Amino acid sequence: EPEVTQTPSHQVTQMGQEVILRCVPISNHLYFYWYRQILGQKVEFLVSFYNNEISEKSEIFDDQFSVERPDGSNFTLKIRSTKLEDSAMYFCASGVGSYGYTFGSGTRLTVV
Amino acid sequence: GQNIDQPTEMTATEGAIVQINCTYQTSGFNGLFWYQQHAGEAPTFLSYNVLDGLEEKGRFSSFLSRSKGYSYLLLKELQMKDSASYLCAVRDGTGFQKLVFGTGTRLLVSP
Repeated sequence: EPEVTQTPSHQVTQMGQEVILRCVPISNHLYFYWYRQILGQKVEFLVSFYNNEISEKSEIFDDQFSVERPDGSNFTLKIRSTKLEDSAMYFCASGVGSYGYTFGSGTRLTVV
Repeated sequence: GQNIDQPTEMTATEGAIVQINCTYQTSGFNGLFWYQQHAGEAPTFLSYNVLDGLEEKGRFSSFLSRSKGYSYLLLKELQMKDSASYLCAVRDGTGFQKLVFGTGTRLLVSP
């Protein structure tokens, strides 16, 4: 069964550093998403990406965040200057249309 | 705005049936999803309802009433491996169809 692949699985970074989280969505999918889940809390939407541009973003997705699809396969989330409160599990998801989303296994980001 | 409510925690016995309820109030609605999430792992898809009624898939069934803003997930013949969190998520009918999640229901299955 096709998978969404995320790397790295764990990342520890110092406050103020930049991090890039990487995702390889399922190849024929057209819609791409980033979500995050702070430990013990609900999954929260960050951003959706369609047709090579951001289609929607949440209040969480401020100027410190950016997304790119640098080639036909990768989809990245960059956090420019990490804060302690950015510590969370970050999930990439992709979908082909109106039915179903597949989530990646996540990147656990710890900011120290 | 979006508001999705689920019980925080439920317990059940192996072999039993459990029903996890979800109520929602959303500004736009284009379907309701149930996901299973084991601790430290990604959500995995269980079911999808967009029309009223019951969808059955093996040991799992999901029901939707759009007029009541209500759904439930029914798990039959519970197994120990069903111990997990169950997430109710509504697809926003506006914009680009993001999912809005409830806080999840942690289910503990005991022998």
